[in-house]
Amino acid sequence: GAVVSQHPSWVICKSGTSVKIECRSLDFQATTMFWYRQFPKQSLMLMATSNEGSKATYEQGVEKDKFLINHASLTLSTLTVTSAHPEDSSFYICSGKAGAVREQYFGPGTRLTVT
Amino acid sequence: DAKTTQPNSMESNEEEPVHLPCNHSTISGTDYIHWYRQLPSQGPEYVIHGLTSNVNNRMASLAIAEDRKSSTLILHRATLRDAAVYYCILQLYNNNDMRFGAGTRLTVKP
Repeated sequence: GAVVSQHPSWVICKSGTSVKIECRSLDFQATTMFWYRQFPKQSLMLMATSNEGSKATYEQGVEKDKFLINHASLTLSTLTVTSAHPEDSSFYICSGKAGAVREQYFGPGTRLTVT
Repeated sequence: DAKTTQPNSMESNEEEPVHLPCNHSTISGTDYIHWYRQLPSQGPEYVIHGLTSNVNNRMASLAIAEDRKSSTLILHRATLRDAAVYYCILQLYNNNDMRFGAGTRLTVKP
């Protein structure tokens, strides 16, 4: 299957600071990328969908000014958590899909801890 | 959005087949049926997907009921590495979104 990487794999930041998470598709062109959040013992929640070169579409209840998503190329998307708070601590997972292909390929996830 | 219903958990013995059921009674004619699995502290892994016909790949088989209101993921010989949460997801034909339900936690006993 296709490979998606995320960096960093884990990060600890202080409350009020911003943190950027990178998502890269290594062997395919991800025309669409997705960002999910997963709290302990819960399922994945879709946060936003982005098409390369376009603004992201955010799910209801996800603050677009707090979770900045950039999908500037076919192999890179970034999620920036601005003014992080302890309640933003979670497992953030990205995925990508290529064109009309139905399946998505997921990154390994980034564990964010806000102290 | 059409919803799926899966058992919370299932157990299997190593090297035996596993049949993971999924009900999707409100599925529309153009919804795709996807299966993903997630190991602890990892991102989900694509397993298989189908529309109307049964599908086979190196990981698993997908059996889709004739009325498409249910499907079954079949792992032919479970291994300890197959222990994971398995998610059955419907994907609209004209929509890229995948919305995850609670999934089935599969335990494989040696």
